[in-house]
Amino acid sequence: DAGITQSPRYKITETGRQVTLMCHQTWSHSYMFWYRQDLGHGLRLIYYSAAADITDKGEVPDGYVVSRSKTENFPLTLESATRSQTSVYFCASTIPGHGGEQYFGPGTRLTVT
Amino acid sequence: AQRVTQPEKLLSVFKGAPVELKCNYSYSGSPELFWYVQYSRQRLQLLLRHISRESIKGFTADLNKGETSFHLKKPFAQEEDSAMYYCALWGGSQGNLIFGKGTKLSVKP
Repeated sequence: DAGITQSPRYKITETGRQVTLMCHQTWSHSYMFWYRQDLGHGLRLIYYSAAADITDKGEVPDGYVVSRSKTENFPLTLESATRSQTSVYFCASTIPGHGGEQYFGPGTRLTVT
Repeated sequence: AQRVTQPEKLLSVFKGAPVELKCNYSYSGSPELFWYVQYSRQRLQLLLRHISRESIKGFTADLNKGETSFHLKKPFAQEEDSAMYYCALWGGSQGNLIFGKGTKLSVKP
């Protein structure tokens, strides 16, 4: 499929488990982002990447790890999931100089029990 | 500090009524402002950007630098406008798109 996709769309896991959320885009956008969406907080940036092998922290990076070995993929890993990480996670991408115009994936709804 | 404030969590109007979703920002330079929309269970999508001064789906937004505001307006609301609306500010740094907390618009028949 063209565009930006996320998998899984829904995930239930237990506290302490490792979870990886996948993000894939077909546009060859150099910039990719991970956000979490929570009631009362809106969208908050977790990590972003300017290119393959270049990543940087956003507003709420604690408890998360990212990697970007290929331009098209930007997985997000929760190394030891906690209940506070229950959220909807959105991946997004854009091109240089257009950071305000981001294209979002469909989201992953993660529940940590 | 860079900040985007959307003072209303929920805005409820009747079909055909005018709508104004408020957005105020705090930024020391010249930011670019955007409105994003998220319909129920769908992904976020860009609705408007202030630099293009366009009207999308009947919505307009004017950047008022004096009042540091970027309110979203529509003269006659439709039921299909019901959604979550986010105001966002971009300061020019790629990792720096700041979102407000969002306003849920509910348009009643």
